[in-house]
Amino acid sequence: GAVVSQHPSWVICKSGTSVKIECRSLDFQATTMFWYRQFPKQSLMLMATSNEGSKATYEQGVEKDKFLINHASLTLSTLTVTSAHPEDSSFYICSARGVANPYEQYFGPGTRLTVT
Amino acid sequence: AQKITQTQPGMFVQEKEAVTLDCTYDTSDQSYGLFWYKQPSSGEMIFLIYQGSYDEQNATEGRYSLNFQKARKSANLVISASQLGDSAMYFCAMREVYNYGQNFVFGPGTRLSVLP
Repeated sequence: GAVVSQHPSWVICKSGTSVKIECRSLDFQATTMFWYRQFPKQSLMLMATSNEGSKATYEQGVEKDKFLINHASLTLSTLTVTSAHPEDSSFYICSARGVANPYEQYFGPGTRLTVT
Repeated sequence: AQKITQTQPGMFVQEKEAVTLDCTYDTSDQSYGLFWYKQPSSGEMIFLIYQGSYDEQNATEGRYSLNFQKARKSANLVISASQLGDSAMYFCAMREVYNYGQNFVFGPGTRLSVLP
């Protein structure tokens, strides 16, 4: 099946700093990528949808200036958490949808962010 | 409004027995898709099974089957012959397709524990 990777798998940063999370589709071209966040013992909540070469569409309540999403190529999307605060600590998961099978989403392994 | 409902926050099942995880959904669309994902403690989302709204047959994938009752808007996951490795969180998700894109929403999840 299609493979999606995320880097880093976990990161600890200090409050006020920014951290970038990468999401890559390894063996297919991802026309659309999705970013989710998951708090402990809760479900996944969609943060934003990004299409290659265009601006991301953010879900209601998600600050676009705080969570910068770039989808510069068909295999890479990045999520940058700017001026991170402890409440941003969460599990961030990306998923990708390809041209070959537009009805399936392939999930990355997730990135655990801890802001101290 | 909650689009996906999973009424069982936690379930226990004896090894080698079958278990049914409930999922009900709410949509006014005729075309939609239903998914089940498994999330072990490692955090990765593992695709299990898919059912399209127009599929007349219940989907099956190995030990997983989806009991799709369209009129009742339910899509229960049945796991036969449970194994210890099945212990995980299970999420039901729905994809609605619109002209301008798609909406992918997850239920709150059910934690399944398989007992030896």
